[in-house]
Amino acid sequence: DTAVSQTPKYLVTQMGNDKSIKCEQNLGHDTMYWYKQDSKKFLKIMFSYNNKELIINETVPNRFSPKSPDKAHLNLHINSLELGDSAVYFCASSQRNQETQYFGPGTRLLVL
Amino acid sequence: SQKIEQNSEALNIQEGKTATLTCNYTNYSPAYLQWYRQDPGRGPVFLLLIRENEKEKRKERLKVTFDTTLKQSLFHITASQPADSATYLCALYGSSNTGKLIFGQGTTLQVKP
Repeated sequence: DTAVSQTPKYLVTQMGNDKSIKCEQNLGHDTMYWYKQDSKKFLKIMFSYNNKELIINETVPNRFSPKSPDKAHLNLHINSLELGDSAVYFCASSQRNQETQYFGPGTRLLVL
Repeated sequence: SQKIEQNSEALNIQEGKTATLTCNYTNYSPAYLQWYRQDPGRGPVFLLLIRENEKEKRKERLKVTFDTTLKQSLFHITASQPADSATYLCALYGSSNTGKLIFGQGTTLQVKP
């Protein structure tokens, strides 16, 4: 059983396009996150939702918009994609007030 | 400014030896520190957590130490195996981080048979 799943696994698209990445967790956690891992392997938090409420919003361009329809899902929509958006995007989840985070397999985004 | 540093150079060791990875930080007061393992093409996997009032934590062949005076954590893998080859990330969590985990860039460990 996949605990945290993301779709798609790979995403190749042209500059200026809009794309979405979906994340689902079946762990019953109430907190979900989006991270970006760049080519130098730095993993940086972008957003965090707790029970569908945004609790962490890093200095991310407003072209990135997370949406949480329910506590098991956290999607990431990116408008007007730029070359610098190329990276691996990881979704993660945890139980609030518990420290361990569980990561998805990542979505490899390449903007041409 | 706040900084987390892990050795960016790969660590190459012989099977059976102890691998020691370092995580140094500045301008943080972490409530706890975590270590994750990341294999190529996969997401990080949680390994160990150590709190600010703990000096050492063990789990099977893994040992983590936490020195808040030196602002350093050491991660040890004893009797290392080729299957331990991966990138290891340290992550800090503290009230000054507004509740978020801050990751280091990771150290790649290569264990040779």
